[in-house]
Amino acid sequence: DTGVSQNPRHKITKRGQNVTFRCDPISEHNRLYWYRQTLGQGPEFLTYFQNEAQLEKSRLLSDRFSAERPKGSFSTLEIQRTEQGDSAMYLCASSHYGGGDNSPLHFGNGTRLTVT
Amino acid sequence: GEDVEQSLFLSVREGDSSVINCTYTDSSSTYLYWYKQEPGAGLQLLTYIFSNMDMKQDQRLTVLLNKKDKHLSLRIADTQTGDSAIYFCAERRGSTLGRLYFGRGTQLTVWP
Repeated sequence: DTGVSQNPRHKITKRGQNVTFRCDPISEHNRLYWYRQTLGQGPEFLTYFQNEAQLEKSRLLSDRFSAERPKGSFSTLEIQRTEQGDSAMYLCASSHYGGGDNSPLHFGNGTRLTVT
Repeated sequence: GEDVEQSLFLSVREGDSSVINCTYTDSSSTYLYWYKQEPGAGLQLLTYIFSNMDMKQDQRLTVLLNKKDKHLSLRIADTQTGDSAIYFCAERRGSTLGRLYFGRGTQLTVWP
């Protein structure tokens, strides 16, 4: 078990550019979550997948944000036309769901995005 | 209300016990969690409790759950300087079984 892996750890981009982050979950986990955390706040839910299906999206996830998990393994989160308000830590988590029971979420170390 | 609430700061001396409190929102919450976050890092799962329990102990950690008051606490015995971090309380609500709802976190500072 190598844990949840996120890349890159840090990303600095200019306003208006597109960025993409990657998350590799724990291998036996079928659920994958994206959260956003700003300074002084707790993580805020963005979206989650079960296998390749995106089951829920927060209203925080504007149309500039898109997440995919095409083969039910790794996931990408893309932000188009970045704005300074997108600066945050983007956290990925995974869990195993089966038989009506959902294991705890295990988080990666996050990708810190700075939009200048 | 909609928010999971925690006090923002707690300071203790090394060797003392720390108690971090949390008030959650949904009486149908199934699981409640405590996570630890060190600077620049992600969240580390510390412990969790199922809603039909009122206490769980795991080495230096004790979780107490009062369902009537929707109150959760985390006690850390013999607090060490390495315990200095932000501690987040989170609930899994019965109506939305996928996501977790987090508080703003409690910054624990341990003085030598």
